[in-house]
Amino acid sequence: GENVEQHPSTLSVQEGDSAVIKCTYSDSASNYFPWYKQELGKRPQLIIDIRSNVGEKKDQRIAVTLNKTAKHFSLHITETQPEDSAVYFCAAGGSYIPTFGRGTSLIVHP
Amino acid sequence: GAVVSQHPSWVICKSGTSVKIECRSLDFQATTMFWYRQFPKQSLMLMATSNEGSKATYEQGVEKDKFLINHASLTLSTLTVTSAHPEDSSFYICSGQDDQLNSPLHFGNGTRLTVT
Repeated sequence: GENVEQHPSTLSVQEGDSAVIKCTYSDSASNYFPWYKQELGKRPQLIIDIRSNVGEKKDQRIAVTLNKTAKHFSLHITETQPEDSAVYFCAAGGSYIPTFGRGTSLIVHP
Repeated sequence: GAVVSQHPSWVICKSGTSVKIECRSLDFQATTMFWYRQFPKQSLMLMATSNEGSKATYEQGVEKDKFLINHASLTLSTLTVTSAHPEDSSFYICSGQDDQLNSPLHFGNGTRLTVT
């Protein structure tokens, strides 16, 4: 089955800095890569996703890049704000059940 | 937009009792419902996958007789924790998906279960 590795487990940045979270996956058949943001005690919320037919997608301060050859994808958050503090999960899937990474706790210091 | 309504949001029960968690999909038909549990500061661990009208598929290590899943309609799925024990205390989250390939997961708000 699919195996998703996510790094780092914890990321601490100053407000205004950029944050990058990286994930690798094992199954070359995966073609859908969503990212979820989970605030403490709340449900995960989809923030951005990318499909295998594109290499990059951007939505305001959030961008995701995908390298299918290397089987890795990354989340980029620019101009971070304290409200970006949360746990972020990557996932990889296809025509089967998406597999989640272990999560990255992002802390943005004001 | 698509929403999954999950109830209850929290429940405290005594050891040995059963607890039912309900997830309803609003504004979309959840062909597939995923049930996860999440321990503090850990990832979402898939427990089982249920498809409307058929038996759930459980992940390795998850007892199907303990965690009963029913997905009788395209808008309702339930998870019943039978004979709950303190080690079952966790955060349980459902997630619905429609039948389109690679469609996003729509998560419920989760249920915090505490077994005393």
